[in-house]
Amino acid sequence: RKEVEQDPGPFNVPEGATVAFNCTYSNSASQSFFWYRQDCRKEPKLLMSVYSSGNEDGRFTAQLNRASQYISLLIRDSKLSDSATYLCVVLYNNNDMRFGAGTRLTVKP
Amino acid sequence: DVKVTQSSRYLVKRTGEKVFLECVQDMDHENMFWYRQDPGLGLRLIYFSYDVKMKEKGDIPEGYSVSREKKERFSLILESASTNQTSMYLCASRQQGDNEKLFFGSGTQLSVL
Repeated sequence: RKEVEQDPGPFNVPEGATVAFNCTYSNSASQSFFWYRQDCRKEPKLLMSVYSSGNEDGRFTAQLNRASQYISLLIRDSKLSDSATYLCVVLYNNNDMRFGAGTRLTVKP
Repeated sequence: DVKVTQSSRYLVKRTGEKVFLECVQDMDHENMFWYRQDPGLGLRLIYFSYDVKMKEKGDIPEGYSVSREKKERFSLILESASTNQTSMYLCASRQQGDNEKLFFGSGTQLSVL
């Protein structure tokens, strides 16, 4: 079983739709959680951290459920520019970051 | 803004060749990392370094070695390239103590024929 698992998608949604991605992790000792975004043929970039109480950044909302060991990312009012692969990242200790394989999102006009 | 520069965007090598992938960061970060990214597998850590001359094995170090002689430069070495090392290689750096942000280079797509 992979340490960090994501639905690979692809998710194909129309502009304006709300879409949610889930990610599960296997190590209950995980410390910190993040969502990174990776555009086609580009490097990953930090989208947002995920805090225990949940957090929002504009149209993006991240949630953490430690008991069930999953995190989620919700995107409201999808834009064409949101098309990318979203990577779930779990930090186990100061230098052990585990990446999910990514969920691909395509937003269509 | 932090810049992480990888020396080559695309590289084609033959089986058995020794390959050097270079990475330079300009923000005085202590921590540097080498990942490879393969479809369906995500990013896997090969090696990382806390500081100059220090290195730690990641999840898949076999067939690779690294060198960190200067703080800004972290080199990945494939001693004898094999076809299963064909992959996208991503270098990253991070400030010690700042767990949030990992800065990546733009990647090197290596093909071993």
